[in-house]
Amino acid sequence: GENVEQHPSTLSVQEGDSAVIKCTYSDSASNYFPWYKQELGKRPQLIIDIRSNVGEKKDQRIAVTLNKTAKHFSLHITETQPEDSAVYFCAASINDYKLSFGAGTTVTVRA
Amino acid sequence: NAGVTQTPKFQVLKTGQSMTLQCAQDMNHNSMYWYRQDPGMGLRLIYYSASEGTTDKGEVPNGYNVSRLNKREFSLRLESAAPSQTSVYFCASSQGGSYNEQFFGPGTRLTVL
Repeated sequence: GENVEQHPSTLSVQEGDSAVIKCTYSDSASNYFPWYKQELGKRPQLIIDIRSNVGEKKDQRIAVTLNKTAKHFSLHITETQPEDSAVYFCAASINDYKLSFGAGTTVTVRA
Repeated sequence: NAGVTQTPKFQVLKTGQSMTLQCAQDMNHNSMYWYRQDPGMGLRLIYYSASEGTTDKGEVPNGYNVSRLNKREFSLRLESAAPSQTSVYFCASSQGGSYNEQFFGPGTRLTVL
């Protein structure tokens, strides 16, 4: 089945700096890659997603890039703010209904 | 709209006891999911229901059963709880399949002693 690896497991950045989280996947048939953000004690929420026919997608300070050949995709957060502190999960589609999630990255933004 | 709701929020069981986790959504979504979240392991799919009347196994279905009671409700049952089932359980729903945003419930924190 699909295996999604996520790195790093923890990331500490200075406020205003950029944060990058990387994920790799194993199944070349995967074609949908969402990112979820989970604040402490809260539920996961979708922040951005990308489909395999697109190489990059941006939404304000957040961007996701996809390299299908290398089977990896990344989340980029620019100008980090304290409210960006959370756990971020990448995921890859297994089939029409299943997602395989990475283990998560705990991002801490230092003031 | 309440979105996705789950009951209970917390539960403590003894090994061998049974219980049912309830989930309901008011967004008229077709698909519903049950995940468990364990430290360092992300979210793992237990079961999903693509549409009313259908259920399928996910990544970690052993020890669990599900029922899609109607379009709104999707329950998860532990017949004989084990300490390995100590986890946070999330229900989610989406309009269609995995290519659509999944909306998560607030979670149920389950401890099995």
